Amino acid sequence: QLQLQESGPGLVKPSETLSLTCTVSGDSISSSSYYWGWIRQPPEKGLEWIGSVYYSGSTYYNPSLKSRVTISVDTSKNQFSLWLNSVTAADTAVYYCARHDRAADAFDIWGQGTMVTVSS
Amino acid sequence: QSALTQPASVSGSPGQSITISCTGTSSDVGSYNLVSWYQQYPGKAPKLMIYEVIKRSSGVSNRFSGSKSGNTASLTISGLQAEDEADYYCCSYAGSNTWVFGGGTKLTVL
Repeated sequence: QLQLQESGPGLVKPSETLSLTCTVSGDSISSSSYYWGWIRQPPEKGLEWIGSVYYSGSTYYNPSLKSRVTISVDTSKNQFSLWLNSVTAADTAVYYCARHDRAADAFDIWGQGTMVTVSS
Repeated sequence: QSALTQPASVSGSPGQSITISCTGTSSDVGSYNLVSWYQQYPGKAPKLMIYEVIKRSSGVSNRFSGSKSGNTASLTISGLQAEDEADYYCCSYAGSNTWVFGGGTKLTVL
């Protein structure tokens, strides 16, 4: 059964870079059927799509975050990663990784999420 | 790219039907039949309920249905049950390989 697990620091200082990794287990990340995405949710607020990556390395970003975001994939480790630089308190959120089924155009499998707080 | 517009809250009694709207623009909801809906319980990850406007995800009750008219998509839950109380989010393809979520709707079962 496919599972996604986020990992990374839970506390990041302002102006520094947030870095998270999503480990995919139970299936290969190198499938042409899926994108792999990052979505975040600030406390008591809604979901925001951050960006997605294809196994080939092609990336797609939210225009509002594009200047600060990098997403990459490591097929040898069955992982994909998120970097968000120049963070502020507004980047405090639960960060989810998710599988994006290209045919259904929907995020069908989600990780449990990881809370990242930006604070000095 | 602005968030899709959803009502902050809706409520209904057990057995009733409710509808949650999701309003976008001609650049997202209005242009593509690629709207999905997610159910989220407090402290939990979202769960896919509906995709491609009207298709139910595997295992989802047929009490959940989706539709779209113009720039507005809708999620209808019939025969409300206590377990349906949750937050619901819509999401739409917005072109150029970008996606946008709605602000979310809190469903209360009275």
